[in-house]
Parts: sequence; C-alpha cells; structure tokens
Amino acid sequence: DADVTQTPRNRITKTGKRIMLECSQTKGHDRMYWYRQDPGLGLRLIYYSFDVKDINKGEISDGYSVSRQAQAKFSLSLESAIPNQTALYFCATSIPNSGRPKPHPDTQYFGPGTRLTVL
Amino acid sequence: RKEVEQDPGPFNVPEGATVAFNCTYSNSASQSFFWYRQDCRKEPKLLMSVYSSGNEDGRFTAQLNRASQYISLLIRDSKLSDSATYLCVVNNFGNEKLTFGTGTRLTIIP
Repeated sequence: DADVTQTPRNRITKTGKRIMLECSQTKGHDRMYWYRQDPGLGLRLIYYSFDVKDINKGEISDGYSVSRQAQAKFSLSLESAIPNQTALYFCATSIPNSGRPKPHPDTQYFGPGTRLTVL
Repeated sequence: RKEVEQDPGPFNVPEGATVAFNCTYSNSASQSFFWYRQDCRKEPKLLMSVYSSGNEDGRFTAQLNRASQYISLLIRDSKLSDSATYLCVVNNFGNEKLTFGTGTRLTIIP
C-alpha cells in the first residue's frame, strides 16, 4: 500500500465550484506540503504544515486554503475554482532534520498526484 | 532570474551512452541539493542527494560546484528505464522548503 495517498486522482469541475483535495499518509511524518505542477513552471509550493497546529503559506497560496485535521491528514481546498487552477497537484511529507537518523536530509515523499481540470 | 534553472531538453540519447545535465541555482546560501526523478504523469521521487565532495550511486554521479553555483548529474551506460524527467532541487539553510527546477527531460533511444 502507498504511504502517501491522494483523493481524488482525477477531477473535472466548473468555474466557481468548491473543491477539496485530500491527502493521507501512514509514514508518521509531521510535515506535510501541497504543491501544484504546471508545464514549464515546475513544482510550486502552495501551503505547508510542520505539525497539526502549524500552517504556513507557500509561494502561491492565493485562491487556496488548507486544513490539517490530524497528523496524517492534510486537505487542500479551492473555495471558488477558476480555470488557471487547472494543474497537477501533489501532496508530500517529510520529517525534520534534527534528532533522527535518516537516509537523506530533507527528503520529501510525494503522493501520486491529483489531476484537476477547471472548465 | 529563476532560483533554480535547468535546460528543459529533451535530451534524446542512445542506449548505453553517457549523458550529463547541469543545474544552476541563484541563492549562494543554498545548503542542500538533490536530484529527483519524475516519470510521466507520476510523482517525483528522490534519486540522490548531492554532497560537496561529489557522490556516486551505481551508474549515477552527482557533483556540486559551490563557486559557480551549479550541480550536475551524470548517467553512465544509460538504460531505457532511465527515460524520465530529472528535477534539480535546492534547499536553503534552516528552511525546510524545497525549490524545484522545471526539470530536464531525458529519453533513451533503443
């Protein structure tokens, strides 16, 4: 089973609709992230959360909101979807650098992605 | 100037050849460097970290040049399964956020 899961995997919606993308993880990581990926622009950070009570804006948070319901769950909402929010959305997790052995510093583990189309 | 820049390619390389990519970064305070691999329509996955002394993992070699602010990835004896997009990723000191390049697309030709 995948350690980081995203639902739905694909979604087509209309302009103005409210959409929620969900992310769950079984890795036990404290840190979770939401990115969007667009052709030619790479991955851009929308929001991130270092624990349940910590939410931070990324570089492109306008038009998005998030909720960290539990350590294992981090949801991304589009309150009123618009066509330029059509993209591939990834959730990711990581653990902090200090106080643990780790295979690689700052490794992030990504979910399989949600392809969102806003018409 | 983008914080992390890569040649988007595509690089079309015959099987068995050696191929190298470079990536430049603009923030001299950057501390951690990585190469991630992304297959078509899939999530990115860590390929290897890049250490100051250079490091090797099988057919893959990563190098860091702090003076010129670039990192490189060398793939020897390329396989068909190496076809993917390679993302250059940078992290700044004390900052758990990663900055991703737009990726270099590699296709290995039989």
